[in-house]
Amino acid sequence: DIQMTQSPSSLAASVGDRVTITCRASQGISRWLGWYQQKPGKAPKSLIYAASSLHTGVPSRFSASGSGTDFTLTISSLQPEDFATYYCQQYNTYPLTFGPGTKVDIK
Amino acid sequence: EVQLLESGGGLVQPGGSLRLSCAASGFTFKTYAMSWVRQAPGKGLEWVSAISASGDRTHYADSVKGRFIISRDNSKNTVFLQVNTLRAEDTAVYYCAKLKENFGDSSADSWGQGTLVTVSS
Repeated sequence: DIQMTQSPSSLAASVGDRVTITCRASQGISRWLGWYQQKPGKAPKSLIYAASSLHTGVPSRFSASGSGTDFTLTISSLQPEDFATYYCQQYNTYPLTFGPGTKVDIK
Repeated sequence: EVQLLESGGGLVQPGGSLRLSCAASGFTFKTYAMSWVRQAPGKGLEWVSAISASGDRTHYADSVKGRFIISRDNSKNTVFLQVNTLRAEDTAVYYCAKLKENFGDSSADSWGQGTLVTVSS
């Protein structure tokens, strides 16, 4: 199975900060990677597909890049509604696998 | 607007079974693959299963293979997850997700609100 890791596991940031989260796959997955946001007690929300494409309705302050094994999600200017946990998921190979998540807290 | 409404969760004893349902609306159901993802209390997301748009291809996580069965009824815009031989470690919120493509190895773009399955004696 492809293992997904994320760093950091958590971070504290202020409104307006630029935040970057890294996701690494244990083997190459081309660009078959998605990013999801989840707030406590809520369902996940899809942010990114194909490593860098925004799902409909996702604010442009979210961006993502990468291919192969290394990927990043960037929030250019953190907003109050962005405090949440972020997960990456590879869909290159079954079984599909998620990263362990990165929790973004308020500083 | 895409809507996914899960149902069928509940409290079940170890070894028991449940049938989870996900009723879909707001899109042409028969043209998209669907998936189930679960989240144990306080834990991260775990992909469970996926089914192609036509229903002819299914895939499972190793942790549920042989115990869970995914299916769909395109005439009723519903996807199902039959969960059998349940274990305590199957306790989780089960989310239904619509995938972007007609095949199972694609990104999810919409999610239901989840249904809680609790396995306990």
